[in-house]
Amino acid sequence: IAGITQAPTSQILAAGRRMTLRCTQDMRHNAMYWYRQDLGLGLRLIHYSNTAGTTGKGEVPDGYSVSRANTDDFPLTLASAVPSQTSVYFCASRPDGGGAYNEQFFGPGTRLTVL
Amino acid sequence: GDSVTQMEGPVTLSEEAFLTINCTYTATGYPSLFWYVQYPGEGLQLLLKATKADDKGSNKGFEATYRKETTSFHLEKGSVQVSDSAVYFCALSGGSQGNLIFGKGTKLSVKP
Repeated sequence: IAGITQAPTSQILAAGRRMTLRCTQDMRHNAMYWYRQDLGLGLRLIHYSNTAGTTGKGEVPDGYSVSRANTDDFPLTLASAVPSQTSVYFCASRPDGGGAYNEQFFGPGTRLTVL
Repeated sequence: GDSVTQMEGPVTLSEEAFLTINCTYTATGYPSLFWYVQYPGEGLQLLLKATKADDKGSNKGFEATYRKETTSFHLEKGSVQVSDSAVYFCALSGGSQGNLIFGKGTKLSVKP
């Protein structure tokens, strides 16, 4: 089934630990995004990638890094987790035709708790 | 910069009631507009979209019309069901990184 998968589904992490959230899509979309969802704040962009080999910072990039070695995978890394990074993280991708006016497809999310 | 404002709720309705969730936007260009729905414990799903002024998006009994003159994209449904209980997000395209810009979400609870 075509779509976006994310792993893990949920995680409890001790502050200071390193964590990588995985995201894989099989739709061959060039553009991919990481958002975090916090109550009362909606979704905010963390990092994005317009194509394999390129990445960029979004609205709330501090404490996060990404890589895009190929079209399908877009992992998000927390180098040293802090409690304020407790959130639900969504990976998304966007079809190429129509550019930025297209809708995005979302993964099921990763619920991360940093203690 | 571009932004989306939607009523925050929560909204509680009885089954078969009429639903309106207001959404207004600020944008410098001509964005596409979207409504996404998030059911409990799930990710976001596209509910409907409109790509230009006066377009009406519709799906599953929900409708929204792209009103450029009032910069609005209000979501409506004539008769809600318990299964419509979810969080609804209004969003626009046109973020500088090609991202979507979201409202804060409106939680809808429908009681039998």
